[in-house]
Amino acid sequence: GQSLEQPSEVTAVEGAIVQINCTYQTSGFYGLSWYQQHDGGAPTFLSYNALDGLEETGRFSSFLSRSDSYGYLLLQELQMKDSASYFCAVNERDDKIIFGKGTRLHILP
Amino acid sequence: DGGITQSPKYLFRKEGQNVTLSCEQNLNHDAMYWYRQDPGQGLRLIYYSQIVNDFQKGDIAEGYSVSREKKESFPLTVTSAQKNPTAFYLCASSGQGRYYEQYFGPGTRLTVT
Repeated sequence: GQSLEQPSEVTAVEGAIVQINCTYQTSGFYGLSWYQQHDGGAPTFLSYNALDGLEETGRFSSFLSRSDSYGYLLLQELQMKDSASYFCAVNERDDKIIFGKGTRLHILP
Repeated sequence: DGGITQSPKYLFRKEGQNVTLSCEQNLNHDAMYWYRQDPGQGLRLIYYSQIVNDFQKGDIAEGYSVSREKKESFPLTVTSAQKNPTAFYLCASSGQGRYYEQYFGPGTRLTVT
């Protein structure tokens, strides 16, 4: 079967750094994506890793280790607007992705 | 502006009625998707389509139907056979070969009583 595991909630302080982990078990693997969703809104694409290593996009970075079936999203210099749910998603085949249940990020002032 | 539109934003129906949710995109994307999201849950794939006149079942297709007569449009019908239709429905699209990068519409919140 397929499964993606990520923490249900994470809390961090404004200005700090937070890491959201994702482990996966799927029959196929092309890459790992990350999406952000604010309450009541639509998910928006953040990043994609097909190869091992770190991808940086501004304050957000995403990491993948294919051998460990593990990835994480790193958010730096946290801002209150970063309060949202973050989903990892596995590109199991070359035509669709499977989403995890999401991690709700709470940011304290 | 390119994007995906879904209508209506809120929809209320009585049990036993079929209802069709609209999804239109002007991004010239080949692939389109329908997801269902329940409170505190991730997105579960209902149906997806890579080309016109072709579509595949996702993980929870039972009680739903779709059509893809035009590249721009991918309507979803929630039938009376769907046991728990109340949910937030999201439509998405992606460019060729970029299935990992999906663009989402604003969603339709369906309530069935």
